[in-house]
Amino acid sequence: GNSVTQMEGPVTLSEEAFLTINCTYTATGYPSLFWYVQYPGEGLQLLLKATKADDKGSNKGFEATYRKETTSFHLEKGSVQVSDSAVYFCALRGGETSGSRLTFGEGTQLTVNP
Amino acid sequence: GAVVSQHPSWVICKSGTSVKIECRSLDFQATTMFWYRQFPKQSLMLMATSNEGSKATYEQGVEKDKFLINHASLTLSTLTVTSAHPEDSSFYICSARDVRDHYEQYFGPGTRLTVT
Repeated sequence: GNSVTQMEGPVTLSEEAFLTINCTYTATGYPSLFWYVQYPGEGLQLLLKATKADDKGSNKGFEATYRKETTSFHLEKGSVQVSDSAVYFCALRGGETSGSRLTFGEGTQLTVNP
Repeated sequence: GAVVSQHPSWVICKSGTSVKIECRSLDFQATTMFWYRQFPKQSLMLMATSNEGSKATYEQGVEKDKFLINHASLTLSTLTVTSAHPEDSSFYICSARDVRDHYEQYFGPGTRLTVT
């Protein structure tokens, strides 16, 4: 079945540091890949996505590239801000036959200190 | 666009009572909605898939008689936790699938349930 593995957290960085959160996946076929962000006490917000190999998703300074050869979708940001402190979830969605179900990683807590 | 709301945002109830949580798609029609449960510092666990006008599909290990799901319209799904117990305390999140947007799922803000 499908699965997503994220780097363990928590991750603590200083403001303006470079961020990488690793994500690898196992799936049949050609899944779509997502990063969601969850701020304290809130639901999930879609941060970025990629639907096919070599696609790069980007939003708010965050980027992730769909690497089929390494089955990875690592999240990066060149200069984090305090407001980026949140939990980040990597997720995949299989083909339509899977019913559009999302499979989530365990989440990575990011804390950015001023 | 693609906004999903949940009501209430938090609720406290006594053991043995039932609680209903609503999930609404505000600006699109959602033939499919999903219900998730999230424990502190953990990932989301899919509980069930709700299809408008039909019975929900529950994930393995989820008690369908305890977590009643109704998807009576294209914009509303409800989750009722029956005979709640303290172990049902959790953060419940719904999402709605927008067929206009490549079947993207849009998430509600979540409902914090505390059973005393």
